[in-house]
Parts: sequence; structure tokens; C-alpha cells
Amino acid sequence: QVQLVQSGAEVKKPGASVKVSCKASGYTFTFYGFSWVRQAPGQGLEWMGWISAYNGNTNYAQKLQGRVTMTTDTSTSTAYMELTSLRSDDTAVYYCARAFWSRGDYHPNGFDYWGQGTLVTVSS
Amino acid sequence: EIVLTQSPGTLSLSPGERATLSCRASQSVSSSYLAWYQQKPGQAPRLLIYGASSRATGIPDRFSGSGSGTDFTLTISRLEPEDFAVYYCQQYGSYFGQGTKLEIK
Repeated sequence: QVQLVQSGAEVKKPGASVKVSCKASGYTFTFYGFSWVRQAPGQGLEWMGWISAYNGNTNYAQKLQGRVTMTTDTSTSTAYMELTSLRSDDTAVYYCARAFWSRGDYHPNGFDYWGQGTLVTVSS
Repeated sequence: EIVLTQSPGTLSLSPGERATLSCRASQSVSSSYLAWYQQKPGQAPRLLIYGASSRATGIPDRFSGSGSGTDFTLTISRLEPEDFAVYYCQQYGSYFGQGTKLEIK
């Protein structure tokens, strides 16, 4: 069965960086990709970007360009999301999700499996 | 950037009733790239519909999606108690709408 298991909660100070991991199992890693979605307390879903595990292509949300980096490690079937220059409004639950494509299109068609979420708290 | 606007913000219905949720895009969206998700409190989102009308694996057939261009709809034919949640639409595997909360009347 497909599983995405994320790393544990983090507490960071403003200006620091955080790197969240997402270990995948139960499917062929390079046939899919990953997206990262965050949710601030009491708010809706905010898409952060995606990465193809097949070819490493990325697409980041405009507001996070320059602060976010997504990578994958095929040797360990793990995806990573690093966010730098943290601010208090980066406090949120961060989810990884498996992204799937049809027919080699550029855009994913959706996110069909999700990790359990990682709470990142940014506070001085 | 295409903006998705969902309506209503909150929908109050009773179990057994039909729910109709709307998602309107600021410009045309290819049907291949319109998805719907359900999220319950304290849980990760769950994919319901992709390609505007294709149900994801394991999703009951009381859930259906339709629409094209700038107007898309998620319909739940007969509400079950477990269907009360927040629903989000998404375009091009990227930005989400602001969500519709479906609550018990």
C-alpha cells in the first residue's frame, strides 16, 4: 500500500531554515512526483510547488520563489522541502502529497496520496 | 495566475439531501486539470475528483464532478454523516480555491 511518512514537528526562530522529509513506499518512486501544500492554523490549503521524481522538474508558487527548494532522493525514496528565511507567517502544517501526471503533461492532474503533515512553528 | 472562487463559503444541509458546490475560475481551465479534495478536521486532504469528472480510487459514486471552462461543480447526491467536511477545488496541480465548508443543518 502507498504510504508517505513525514518527519516530525519543528520549532524554528525567525530567519532560520527548515527541511521537511517525506519517505515514500508501496509504489515505483520515479513514476510520480511530489507536491508540498501547507495550511496555516484555521486557514485553507496553500500550494507551495511540485517536483517530478522522474526528471527533477520543479514548479514553485510565485510567492515562495527564492525561499523554497524541493528535491528528491531516489536511493531512499524520499522527498524534501526546504524553506529558508522563515517568518512567523510560515507557521503551518506542511503536507507532502504524491503528484500524478497523465500522458507526460507538464501539469500534474492531482495529488492522490498524502503524508500525515508536519507542524512547523516559527517563533522567537 | 488563475484564481479559483468557491461558493458558497458555508453550506448547511441535512443527511440525505443533495449538495451542490461551485468552483469558478478567473479564466478558462482545461477540464483535465480540475480536481476536488475533501478535508476533515485534523486530517490530510483526500482526492475525490480529478479531470473535472473522474472519481479517484475508492470514492463512492454519490460524489460526482462536472463542468468546463470557468465553471465547475461538485455534487454529492445524498449526504452521509461522514461527508460533512471542507471541500477544495484545485487547478493545474497548483493553486486551490478558498474552500466550502459543508456543515450539518
